[in-house]
Amino acid sequence: QKEVEQNSGPLSVPEGAIASLNCTYSDRGSQSFFWYRQYSGKSPELIMSIYSNGDKEDGRFTAQLNKASQYVSLLIRDSQPSDSATYLCAFTNAGKSTFGDGTTLTVKP
Amino acid sequence: EAQVTQNPRYLITVTGKKLTVTCSQNMNHEYMSWYRQDPGLGLRQIYYSMNVEVTDKGDVPEGYKVSRKEKRNFPLILESPSPNQTSLYFCASSLFKGSGELFFGEGSRLTVL
Repeated sequence: QKEVEQNSGPLSVPEGAIASLNCTYSDRGSQSFFWYRQYSGKSPELIMSIYSNGDKEDGRFTAQLNKASQYVSLLIRDSQPSDSATYLCAFTNAGKSTFGDGTTLTVKP
Repeated sequence: EAQVTQNPRYLITVTGKKLTVTCSQNMNHEYMSWYRQDPGLGLRQIYYSMNVEVTDKGDVPEGYKVSRKEKRNFPLILESPSPNQTSLYFCASSLFKGSGELFFGEGSRLTVL
């Protein structure tokens, strides 16, 4: 079993819709959770971090964490074509960072 | 401008020829790390450093060496590169050790023939 599993893509949504990205992890010692966005040919860029159970909102992005279920998600509201990218889920434990394989999102105009 | 700088950005080399990929950050970050990204395998951590002179293995350290003699620099050394080390490499840094809020360099695409 992979340490981090992301919902298989690719995911395609129309412009203005909500995109939902999901991630499960197996390391119960994980303390910190992150979502990175990676455009094709570019390096990953941090878009959200979440450390405690519940929701965290930042503009059109909402991260949700449920440590009991070992589940973290990212919602993108009012999706834009510029949101088209690969989204990487990651967690950190004692200095080690583990990334999921990513989910590729395409937002169609 | 805050940045993580990697060099070279692109390199084609041959099996066994030692090479070093440099990484430098100008943000006074404590934590630095190296990753490789391969299709179907995602981003995997090679080595990380929580402070000067402190380095630890990540998930795929075999065939790589690192050093952290200065806070700003964290070079990745391939003593005897092999074709299975052909990959896209990213260096990243973070303000605090143990933080996963990583700031990535632009990447170095390495091909070993």
